[in-house]
Amino acid sequence: EPEVTQTPSHQVTQMGQEVILRCVPISNHLYFYWYRQILGQKVEFLVSFYNNEISEKSEIFDDQFSVERPDGSNFTLKIRSTKLEDSAMYFCASSEERQPQHFGDGTRLSIL
Amino acid sequence: AQKVTQAQTEISVVEKEDVTLDCVYETRDTTYYLFWYKQPPSGELVFLIRRNSFDEQNEISGRYSWNFQKSTSSFNFTITASQVVDSAVYFCALSELTQGGSEKLVFGKGTKLTVNP
Repeated sequence: EPEVTQTPSHQVTQMGQEVILRCVPISNHLYFYWYRQILGQKVEFLVSFYNNEISEKSEIFDDQFSVERPDGSNFTLKIRSTKLEDSAMYFCASSEERQPQHFGDGTRLSIL
Repeated sequence: AQKVTQAQTEISVVEKEDVTLDCVYETRDTTYYLFWYKQPPSGELVFLIRRNSFDEQNEISGRYSWNFQKSTSSFNFTITASQVVDSAVYFCALSELTQGGSEKLVFGKGTKLTVNP
């Protein structure tokens, strides 16, 4: 069964550094999402992407965040200058229609 | 705004017991979808079920069953004859249509289920 793939599984970065989280959505899917889960808390929506543009973003998704679909297969989340509070699990999801959304296994981001 | 409440933070049962995880939601949409996801200790999110707001039939899948009651805005999840492998955090989620035309999921805080041998 096709699945959403995220790399790396764990990223450790110094505060202030830029980080790029990568995702390969399921190939025929059209909608792409990033969610965040701070340790022990609920999963929170960050951003959705459709037709090569952001369709919705949450309050969390400030100017430090950006998303890109650089080619036909990858979907990336960039954090320009990481803060300690960016430490979390980041989930990528994709869907063929609006849902159901299929999630990747997540990237655990640790900011030191 | 949409809201999902999972009042049970943690539940602990002994293997073979039945357990019900509660989910109550708030929405102003007339059409919406409800979901349950499982998050095992390894951290990934596993999709379990999607339910359309127009379909109030209960659903059973093996040891899992779901009870959707629109009148009480609840979408409860029951595991029958629980097993140790059911130990995980379970999230209920509600779809919310965004202004940009996509849908985002609004998650509850999750219920941590521990099944002891």
